[in-house]
Amino acid sequence: NAGVTQTPKFRVLKTGQSMTLLCAQDMNHEYMYWYRQDPGMGLRLIHYSVGEGTTAKGEVPDGYNVSRLKKQNFLLGLESAAPSQTSVYFCASSRETGGPKFFGPGTRLTVL
Amino acid sequence: SQQGEEDPQALSIQEGENATMNCSYKTSINNLQWYRQNSGRGLVHLILIRSNEREKHSGRLRVTLDTSKKSSSLLITASRAADTASYFCATGKAAGNKLTFGGGTRVLVKP
Repeated sequence: NAGVTQTPKFRVLKTGQSMTLLCAQDMNHEYMYWYRQDPGMGLRLIHYSVGEGTTAKGEVPDGYNVSRLKKQNFLLGLESAAPSQTSVYFCASSRETGGPKFFGPGTRLTVL
Repeated sequence: SQQGEEDPQALSIQEGENATMNCSYKTSINNLQWYRQNSGRGLVHLILIRSNEREKHSGRLRVTLDTSKKSSSLLITASRAADTASYFCATGKAAGNKLTFGGGTRVLVKP
């Protein structure tokens, strides 16, 4: 099993550009999450999904959109990137609500 | 805002020594989890302790939970250089499935 995979691993954007981060999991987990990690801030939840076709806002959702068209995939979109969105983005999945999370390797995004 | 706050922020020990780090939180929880993150990698789940448990062991890891003090500790015994990483606590609330992470403790184990 590959677990949780993320694409791409690195990306540099200019302010105003758009992009989509892809997360895939092969564990048949219902729950999927997008976090961002900034120095000294721990991880903050951007959006999450409790099942195929559902999405919900997390702690810091502004400037991001998500979609969960297939159970195994969770997409994070930036419509108009800003320098404040420079961060490392982690996707995670879990089998049950409140249970252990399985994390992907992360995407390092720089917005110039 | 962060629910969990780890202490200390950084810890440097010699191989073979024990490492202890603490986590404090503010509101009632359903469970508390500890994760490890090696440099440049994703987080790896270490252990989950439920609000009705006081202590849990997994290999060289020992976790305690004191809900009256709203605090938890993670003890790594007989540390190894491979234990060098950042350690995060995360709290799961009674309702919902969101985890709230603290800022982490950076542990350096010197050979």
